[in-house]
Amino acid sequence: QQQVKQSPQSLIVQKGGISIINCAYENTAFDYFPWYQQFPGKGPALLIAIRPDVSEKKEGRFTISFNKSAKQFSLHIMDSQPGDSATYFCAASKGQAGTALIFGKGTTLSVSS
Amino acid sequence: KAGVTQTPRYLIKTRGQQVTLSCSPISGHRSVSWYQQTPGQGLQFLFEYFSETQRNKGNFPGRFSGRQFSNSRSEMNVSTLELGDSALYLCASSGGQYQETQYFGPGTRLLVL
Repeated sequence: QQQVKQSPQSLIVQKGGISIINCAYENTAFDYFPWYQQFPGKGPALLIAIRPDVSEKKEGRFTISFNKSAKQFSLHIMDSQPGDSATYFCAASKGQAGTALIFGKGTTLSVSS
Repeated sequence: KAGVTQTPRYLIKTRGQQVTLSCSPISGHRSVSWYQQTPGQGLQFLFEYFSETQRNKGNFPGRFSGRQFSNSRSEMNVSTLELGDSALYLCASSGGQYQETQYFGPGTRLLVL
C-alpha cells in the first residue's frame, strides 16, 4: 500500500515558469514532510521541509504548501531555471528520530530554455 | 563539514554472492539509515541504526542486514544476491538539532549479474 502518492510523474516547464508538484498522504501519524531533489548519479538532497503546524513555508524560490485536512502538500518552484531540471521526491515520516522516510515515486522536472 | 560518504560507489556481483557496503555519516551524527532505490519501487527504507543498535527496520528479507560501529560508521550486507537486488543503495545520516532531518550520501550502485 503506497502511503505517499506523488503527481505528476513528469513535468515540462518553460524557463521562468512555475513548477508545481503535488503529494498526498494517508497516515495521519505523519508529521514531517520534506522534499528532496536528486540529480543523475547523485543522492537525494534536502530542499525544504514542513511540519503540519504551518500551512506554508518558503525558502528562496521554493515553497511548500500544506493542507492538513486534505492530507496533501505541494512544492512550488518559482522562476524555474534549467538548473532545476532534476527528479523531485516528496516524503513523509512520523518526525521522530530514527523513523523511516516514506517517499513518493518522484517527479522528473525538465525546464526548457 | 564533510557530507555522508559511501564506498564503494559502484559494484558488480553475480547471483549468489554476498556484498558489503559502507557508510560514514556526517561528523557528529549518530543515526544512520539505509534505503534502496530502484526504478520500479522507488526509494524504500531498509533499516536505521543508532548507537550501534538497530532501531527501525523496513520490509526487506533477512538477506539484508546491517551494523553500526562505535564511531557511527555503518555497513550493510546483502547475502545470496538476486538479480532484483540491483539498485542504488543510499545511506542517510541524521543528528544534531533536527533529529528528523536525513542527509543522503551519493549511494552505491550495485549491479547483480
